[in-house]
Amino acid sequence: GAVVSQHPSRVICKSGTSVKIECRSLDFQATTMFWYRQFPKQSLMLMATSNEGSKATYEQGVEKDKFLINHASLTLSTLTVTSAHPEDSSFYICSAHGGGPNSPLHFGNGTRLTVT
Amino acid sequence: QKEVEQNSGPLSVPEGAIASLNCTYSDRGSQSFFWYRQYSGKSPELIMSIYSNGDKEDGRFTAQLNKASQYVSLLIRDSQPSDSATYLCAVETSGGFKTIFGAGTRLFVKA
Repeated sequence: GAVVSQHPSRVICKSGTSVKIECRSLDFQATTMFWYRQFPKQSLMLMATSNEGSKATYEQGVEKDKFLINHASLTLSTLTVTSAHPEDSSFYICSAHGGGPNSPLHFGNGTRLTVT
Repeated sequence: QKEVEQNSGPLSVPEGAIASLNCTYSDRGSQSFFWYRQYSGKSPELIMSIYSNGDKEDGRFTAQLNKASQYVSLLIRDSQPSDSATYLCAVETSGGFKTIFGAGTRLFVKA
């Protein structure tokens, strides 16, 4: 149980374009999902908390107008990287609590974004 | 002070030995603690969760928690080359809901 599906797994885009990443909870409902970013050889950094039916909560230093989050249903959250630049190239991973607030996070397989 | 601290390693142990991974955290009110394993280029996978002081064993893995010392550890017995990965300590913040990760410890198990 508690399967999180993320798509696409890998994307290459040109500088200045936008990229949308989808995150779905397949066998449970997630009122909250979390988006992390991981640069090579670094740890996961929480970017934002995605809340179903309301605005996302962004961590300090994360530009909300650049990283658009939409959580329109209990099983789908999307992250759109707008006007992507090479420095946005990273591994983006979504996650959700499969069993309530104190339960472990279950992660999607991640999206490797390369901006050329 | 970082919220969750781990020795980045690398930690190298021979096959069959015990690997000991340590983690300290700053939020004294945290109640939920997790260990994840991450292979290169992959997303993290959960190994253990622990919520109470003491030891929790699951197969070759034992998690230890000491809330007074704000310390969490993971022991891997009979280490195998397939255990070679980065191990992430994660702590859920008090007041719920955000999970903060340490920088991870790279483990190498030599055959």
